[in-house]
Amino acid sequence: DTEVTQTPKHLVMGMTNKKSLKCEQHMGHRAMYWYKQKAKKPPELMFVYSYEKLSINESVPSRFSPECPNSSLLNLHLHALQPEDSALYLCASSQDREPAKNIQYFGAGTRLSVL
Amino acid sequence: GQNIDQPTEMTATEGAIVQINCTYQTSGFNGLFWYQQHAGEAPTFLSYNVLDGLEEKGRFSSFLSRSKGYSYLLLKELQMKDSASYLCAVKYNFNKFYFGSGTKLNVKP
Repeated sequence: DTEVTQTPKHLVMGMTNKKSLKCEQHMGHRAMYWYKQKAKKPPELMFVYSYEKLSINESVPSRFSPECPNSSLLNLHLHALQPEDSALYLCASSQDREPAKNIQYFGAGTRLSVL
Repeated sequence: GQNIDQPTEMTATEGAIVQINCTYQTSGFNGLFWYQQHAGEAPTFLSYNVLDGLEEKGRFSSFLSRSKGYSYLLLKELQMKDSASYLCAVKYNFNKFYFGSGTKLNVKP
């Protein structure tokens, strides 16, 4: 099983709303990632959690707040977003830090629209 | 990031072979991965290289030269369903992954 599940699939929110994106994996992976992907662009790394600790924040604005409640779950809390934040948000997980084991498996993504 | 370069678009004929190149910045390199992405869908893993040489996996093969900062993905016996974007992703130290802009492959009958 190489499934990463993201909910919701689609989300429309206003600039004053607070919402959360969820990601779940049951592969025993210890690294989890958030990416942002705009149309016809490659995924851009936002955050990396390794063993449930935030290890990388790629200078992401504070209106995006990640959380890793346990080794299977990853959340992305959204608050006061801007229209330019509209994008596909992808979650991924990988087994280990070693390159040979660091194949990332992606969820189907949450398509976010900020009005 | 990390100057990962791929051709923007390629066209090939069904049944043919196509090679998609990727160049990257070598400092801090820790592994290279190839993904396929159909429009509106998540990337799916195809192949990876950590050491120099060729890795073969069915119709897909990937090659790496670490000293040259160069990789390619080789797709054989092309099928219409192979029409997609192909992303080169490089892992650098501390689990940092950066993707190239992707190569859109068009397979024609």
